[in-house]
Amino acid sequence: DAMVIQNPRYQVTQFGKPVTLSCSQTLNHNVMYWYQQKSSQAPKLLFHYYDKDFNNEADTPDNFQSRRPNTSFCFLDIRSPGLGDAAMYLCASQAGVETDTQYFGPGTRLTVL
Amino acid sequence: DAKTTQPPSMDCAEGRAANLPCNHSTISGNEYVYWYRQIHSQGPQYIIHGLKNNETNEMASLIITEDRKSSTLILPHATLRDTAVYYCIVRARRGHNFNKFYFGSGTKLNVKP
Repeated sequence: DAMVIQNPRYQVTQFGKPVTLSCSQTLNHNVMYWYQQKSSQAPKLLFHYYDKDFNNEADTPDNFQSRRPNTSFCFLDIRSPGLGDAAMYLCASQAGVETDTQYFGPGTRLTVL
Repeated sequence: DAKTTQPPSMDCAEGRAANLPCNHSTISGNEYVYWYRQIHSQGPQYIIHGLKNNETNEMASLIITEDRKSSTLILPHATLRDTAVYYCIVRARRGHNFNKFYFGSGTKLNVKP
């Protein structure tokens, strides 16, 4: 089974203090995604990478950035978290363009104090 | 992208079949129907997908109407562990939105003893 690992599972940060969330996958997938899921809402796509090509959703705030230093790892950086950024952040991976399934990690719950 | 419409919640008795409907009346010819579920505080889990034929796997069956404007996910013998939010997603396989998932609001399935 595909393994998508997110660390930490729970992250607390302070208002305005930069925070980085981590995602890794173990099956050499080409595509990785970041979603934001606020309480009682559906996941919302923030951006994705196809290999090193970065694709930002039009409504993703500039406060959110991402890095993919290699195939396995992908990071979500929130430069200046606000109270409204408290959410579950989900990472997903997919083998390639023509494959069917996105595999999701367990998510990181971000709390902003 | 085609928008999906699902009832916000449904109840099902344990051991009975759960039939979850989804309306995707604006689906286009190159878009697939996917179903994922999300158990509380976990990442979404893939269930099944299809284009126009009915599909079955070890988890569920997917029935797509001939005009492809709606579908039904069937869990043949629901258990308490099937309690989750079920998302019906229409996914483009071509074009600038290819392979992206745009989640609808989902159906909260409550399986009761």
